[in-house]
Amino acid sequence: DQQVKQNSPSLSVQEGRISILNCDYTNSMFDYFLWYKKYPAEGPTFLISISSIKDKNEDGRFTVFLNKSAKHLSLHIVPSQPGDSAVYFCAVRHFQGAQKLVFGQGTRLTINP
Amino acid sequence: GAGVSQSPRYKVAKRGQDVALRCDPISGHVSLFWYQQALGQGPEFLTYFQNEAQLDKSGLPSDRFFAERPEGSVSTLKIQRTQQEDSAVYLCASSDLGLGFQPQHFGDGTRLSIL
Repeated sequence: DQQVKQNSPSLSVQEGRISILNCDYTNSMFDYFLWYKKYPAEGPTFLISISSIKDKNEDGRFTVFLNKSAKHLSLHIVPSQPGDSAVYFCAVRHFQGAQKLVFGQGTRLTINP
Repeated sequence: GAGVSQSPRYKVAKRGQDVALRCDPISGHVSLFWYQQALGQGPEFLTYFQNEAQLDKSGLPSDRFFAERPEGSVSTLKIQRTQQEDSAVYLCASSDLGLGFQPQHFGDGTRLSIL
């Protein structure tokens, strides 16, 4: 059973516009939600996280929104830049002591000039 | 500062051979994780260490997979009698164990190809 789903395998956005990446989860027992960015042949790089007790967290051009009733997480990037082109993974952590992360399948974001 | 270092970056082995993959975590990081990433998928959890103690190995797919971290720093993931389905990128991550949430920081992975 897939606990975390990223339903869009790819997304193309024009430079300067807003990029919105989405993620759905099935379990209410997660305490932290994260976004990672991955370039080819490199490991995932941590971008931003949000606690389950919040609904928004902002860091520069990146904002993560959490809608617990809908079990939905989104990442907004504004303005989008060419260097943002990468694969983005959402990940969740179970609140009860387990340290492991459960990842979605990823969304490939392409920023067009 | 130095990040998580993994070696080798690429490993090719024949089916049935044993392989060993190494991970050097960020200095001082107590927690260490191994993940397996198949092509086109997100990373999947294999095992977790806190210092030298292996606290969770629920993701190891079979008894052919074994991980150790004897001195609480460097870790080795060993796969015995490799099979073609073991072909994947193996990622190591480490995190601090401070107050509050500490994100996991990943190495660049070892790409394992089983022929």
